[in-house]
Amino acid sequence: GAGVSQTPSNKVTEKGKYVELRCDPISGHTALYWYRQSLGQGPEFLIYFQGTGAADDSGLPNDRFFAVRPEGSVSTLKIQRTERGDSAVYLCASSFSAGSINTQYFGPGTRLTVL
Amino acid sequence: AQSVSQHNHHVILSEAASLELGCNYSYGGTVNLFWYVQYPGQHLQLLLKYFSGDPLVKGIKGFEAEFIKSKFSFNLRKPSVQWSDTAEYFCAVRLPSGGYQKVTFGTGTKLQVIP
Repeated sequence: GAGVSQTPSNKVTEKGKYVELRCDPISGHTALYWYRQSLGQGPEFLIYFQGTGAADDSGLPNDRFFAVRPEGSVSTLKIQRTERGDSAVYLCASSFSAGSINTQYFGPGTRLTVL
Repeated sequence: AQSVSQHNHHVILSEAASLELGCNYSYGGTVNLFWYVQYPGQHLQLLLKYFSGDPLVKGIKGFEAEFIKSKFSFNLRKPSVQWSDTAEYFCAVRLPSGGYQKVTFGTGTKLQVIP
């Protein structure tokens, strides 16, 4: 079936603006994850959803970042008052369920550039 | 906090050469271990994983990795690389704390295979 999809693939915005990044997980996957990959680094965990609820948001860098998953499928990562340091590739991943036997499958990412 | 160290940031090999990419993690208990690969212009893909059992894990495209608990290592190997293996390789670890949800990635190793 189809993999994880993310839109837009690229987003350029100005400092101070608000952005929304969308993730569509693999059909049937109940767990959804957001990561951020800065240049020259590996992905860093931001937040994880099991169903509709954010089970762990300990990786969100500050309160300008927020994510929702209202119907337990599509998720939106929201960034308020963007800063140049927010520029990165934002990755979404999903897995069949939470737990140690499940593998996370990654989407292509959204490249965010804050000017 | 857990960390993952990848020893080489950039590796250049000729086709047919053997490959070994180092990965060490800092955690004394049970872990899940992964190698992900990112080909140019593509998204992260799972290469192989270790959850339990046989410490020698075989993945796709002829790759394998060996979990050595006493050395906290999970090195990636391939006996004979091809030009198409040119990519960035990420080692990653997932811990039981929080139900094995967060994946912590290393900084990645860029492999360039010269024809």
